[in-house]
Amino acid sequence: GNSVTQMEGPVTLSEEAFLTINCTYTATGYPSLFWYVQYPGEGLQLLLKATKADDKGSNKGFEATYRKETTSFHLEKGSVQVSDSAVYFCALSGGGYNKLIFGAGTRLAVHP
Amino acid sequence: EAGVTQSPTHLIKTRGQQATLRCSPISGHTSVYWYQQALGLGLQFLLWYDEGEERNRGNFPPRFSGRQFPNYSSELNVNALELEDSALYLCASSIQWSSGNTIYFGEGSWLTVV
Repeated sequence: GNSVTQMEGPVTLSEEAFLTINCTYTATGYPSLFWYVQYPGEGLQLLLKATKADDKGSNKGFEATYRKETTSFHLEKGSVQVSDSAVYFCALSGGGYNKLIFGAGTRLAVHP
Repeated sequence: EAGVTQSPTHLIKTRGQQATLRCSPISGHTSVYWYQQALGLGLQFLLWYDEGEERNRGNFPPRFSGRQFPNYSSELNVNALELEDSALYLCASSIQWSSGNTIYFGEGSWLTVV
């Protein structure tokens, strides 16, 4: 079946550091890929998405490129802020399964 | 425009009781999804409703059930509560299912079973 694998956290960075959170997936067909963010005590918010190979999703300085050849959708940000501290979830939909499947989540802590 | 709204925010129940959680989707959305997020665990898919019908179900026992009303709002019912049912229950909605459509989440309902 379809699955999503994320790098284990927590990831701890200093403010203005470069961020990469790895995400790889297994799916049949052509899924759509998403990054969601969950701030402390809140629900999930869509951060960005990509619906076909080589698409780049971007929002709030975060970027991720849909790489079909490596089945990856890594999240990057050039300069993190304390306010980026949250749990980040990679997810996929489609690929033969009509539901959104999430990775385990990666907790990011950014210190001043 | 209002987002996905859930009630109650917090609910405390005793083992063996029943819990009912409610969800109102974004206006114009016909699909509603329920997820369970237990402490320290990821998001587990529970149920998907569209146009009043159950379209898909995750690996949960039958005591987890729900329904979708004609106005597209939804209820999640959990019968014979067990301690391990304590979790954040997230409701989400989208326009009719398509893999590229964005699914929008509510703030969640915290269920504590004691």
